[in-house]
Amino acid sequence: EVQLVESGGGLVQPGRSLRLSCAASGFTFDDYAMHWVRQAPGKGLEWVSSITWNSGNMDYADSVRGRFTISRDNAKNSLYLQMDSLRVEDTALYYCAKDLSTYDGPGSYFDNWGQGTLVTVSS
Amino acid sequence: QSVLTQPPSLSGAPGQRVTMSCNGSNSNIGTGFDVHWYQQLPRTAPKLLIYGTNNRPSGVPDRFSGSRSGTSASLAITGLQPEDEAAYYCQAYDTTLSHSVFGTGTRVTV
Repeated sequence: EVQLVESGGGLVQPGRSLRLSCAASGFTFDDYAMHWVRQAPGKGLEWVSSITWNSGNMDYADSVRGRFTISRDNAKNSLYLQMDSLRVEDTALYYCAKDLSTYDGPGSYFDNWGQGTLVTVSS
Repeated sequence: QSVLTQPPSLSGAPGQRVTMSCNGSNSNIGTGFDVHWYQQLPRTAPKLLIYGTNNRPSGVPDRFSGSRSGTSASLAITGLQPEDEAAYYCQAYDTTLSHSVFGTGTRVTV
């Protein structure tokens, strides 16, 4: 059974940093691209970032590019999101999601999701 | 601001058929790429509902079906059930943005 468990969320002041983690199990982690998707309170889903199976390519939404960094450690079956210069508008539930493919491309979709970790940016 | 637009809400009585749209453009749905749909029940994570425009993962009832025409896609629920009360999101790849995008979401009330 595929399991994705996010951690690292919390309350942080604007301008500060936070690092999210996602522990994966139940599948061959380094066979798949991975994504972060967020959902602000009461709002819809927003794709945040993706990373290919071998960390060869990373991509970001315009809203976070230059502030967030996605990474993975295939030896530890783990995905990360380093969030710097956090803003109030980054407040959201952050989901880790597995792609069916090795990279984010035309056929990509998210076949498994974690339960999310809540990030609250407030002074 | 999402590039895939969905009606914010719709409602139906149990047993009815409801259809929701997902309107995109020539850089996403209009390219012919697959469209995918997710169901998010209250206070839970999203779940894959339809992939590859009209394929259901194991365990998804056949009352859910998807279609695509031009720059739009649709999700239909036939024989609406109380447990179908949820938010539904479409998703596709956008060639201009070079990444996946989600629709604005439709909340279905039964």
